[in-house]
Amino acid sequence: EAGVAQSPRYKIIEKRQSVAFWCNPISGHATLYWYQQILGQGPKLLIQFQNNGVVDDSQLPKDRFSAERLKGVDSTLKIQPAKLEDSAVYLCASSPRDYTTRDTQYFGPGTRLTVL
Amino acid sequence: ILNVEQSPQSLHVQEGDSTNFTCSFPSSNFYALHWYRWETAKSPEALFVMTLNGDEKKKGRISATLNTKEGYSYLYIKGSQPEDSATYLCAPTYAGNNRKLIWGLGTSLAVNP
Repeated sequence: EAGVAQSPRYKIIEKRQSVAFWCNPISGHATLYWYQQILGQGPKLLIQFQNNGVVDDSQLPKDRFSAERLKGVDSTLKIQPAKLEDSAVYLCASSPRDYTTRDTQYFGPGTRLTVL
Repeated sequence: ILNVEQSPQSLHVQEGDSTNFTCSFPSSNFYALHWYRWETAKSPEALFVMTLNGDEKKKGRISATLNTKEGYSYLYIKGSQPEDSATYLCAPTYAGNNRKLIWGLGTSLAVNP
């Protein structure tokens, strides 16, 4: 089974520029997550989709971050404009959201963003 | 605010040593506990998901136990190898909290050959 795909793997931008990340979850997984992981900290959930609806975006800085999941499959996360503190690894994960796995999440390789 | 604590923060061991880490979490409304291994430049990898008090899970040289009443889990690695070097993260989930993972900060393990 193919894993979670993410692109790009690395991105370097200057502050105030825009950037977008793409995620393709495991086929059939209804739930998709975007995390931000800053060095030395645990992953921080930015947004959770169930199919193409938003379940939780309480920690998404909505003044600059946006995310969508069209047709309940692929998802994009955008930052506009970027700030220095946005430098982090952005992880996408998907989950089958079923009882047997107790919501185990399967992660993509992440995108390492550096904002200069 | 749900607080998940992992200890130690980091650990250096020699190849062949056995080691263990602790994950402490609030026990009220507990649903499941997940352990993940995150190697540098790779994706976090699911190791175990545990639900019942007294659960024990094993995967090769790695095993884990769970105490839901007192809110802790131990992860053991027997005969550590350099390829075990990674950050080990635990994340409980809770009923009524949309079952989202509440991440600890992890234990960083370095195994010297």
